[in-house]
Amino acid sequence: EADIYQTPRYLVIGTGKKITLECSQTMGHDKMYWYQQDPGMELHLIHYSYGVNSTEKGDLSSESTVSRIRTEHFPLTLESARPSHTSQYLCASRGQGAYEQYFGPGTRLTVT
Amino acid sequence: KNQVEQSPQSLIILEGKNCTLQCNYTVSPFSNLRWYKQDTGRGPVSLTIMTFSENTKSNGRYTATLDADTKQSSLHITASQLSDSASYICVVSDRGSTLGRLYFGRGTQLTVWP
Repeated sequence: EADIYQTPRYLVIGTGKKITLECSQTMGHDKMYWYQQDPGMELHLIHYSYGVNSTEKGDLSSESTVSRIRTEHFPLTLESARPSHTSQYLCASRGQGAYEQYFGPGTRLTVT
Repeated sequence: KNQVEQSPQSLIILEGKNCTLQCNYTVSPFSNLRWYKQDTGRGPVSLTIMTFSENTKSNGRYTATLDADTKQSSLHITASQLSDSASYICVVSDRGSTLGRLYFGRGTQLTVWP
């Protein structure tokens, strides 16, 4: 098992609420990623970071934002949750010069 | 357009039987191909990674093959176990950028029955 953690694992929240999904890794990896995955569908990259103070948007347009103030921490924030944000959110990290990308257990978000 | 296509979409086999999952890709320029196992409600876990020069790699009862000329890969599972029930995802990385962009298939949902 990789040392990458996500909290909460499950979240049910009402429309309009602000939420932050946490992601932490203890491997010292410089690259971190956020993916969104709907049931039976492929993963879509929504945000990535090459290191501290570096964040970029991915291929799938997302209303979420991210920050990378510390190497080990890459939180994702939704300012105003909507039912269309209901999905599974997966965090991943990769070390310098390495192929392997390690995934966290995911956060299953449901917006009612 | 860079794509990764997997077949079959779903598969049911009996415990102890073997099976083979397929992956076709159009990603170019190619860097490497990975197979991940994703249990329901969990994140994907890497099974194998193959670069252009490798045509087979094993991880226990899992054996992946790669034909870079035809852009095809397969994942063979031997003597299946109930714990093999999961989604198996083929992922191809390009080498066109520092990011090492990953292209994900939709996965094959494998169910192993006792």
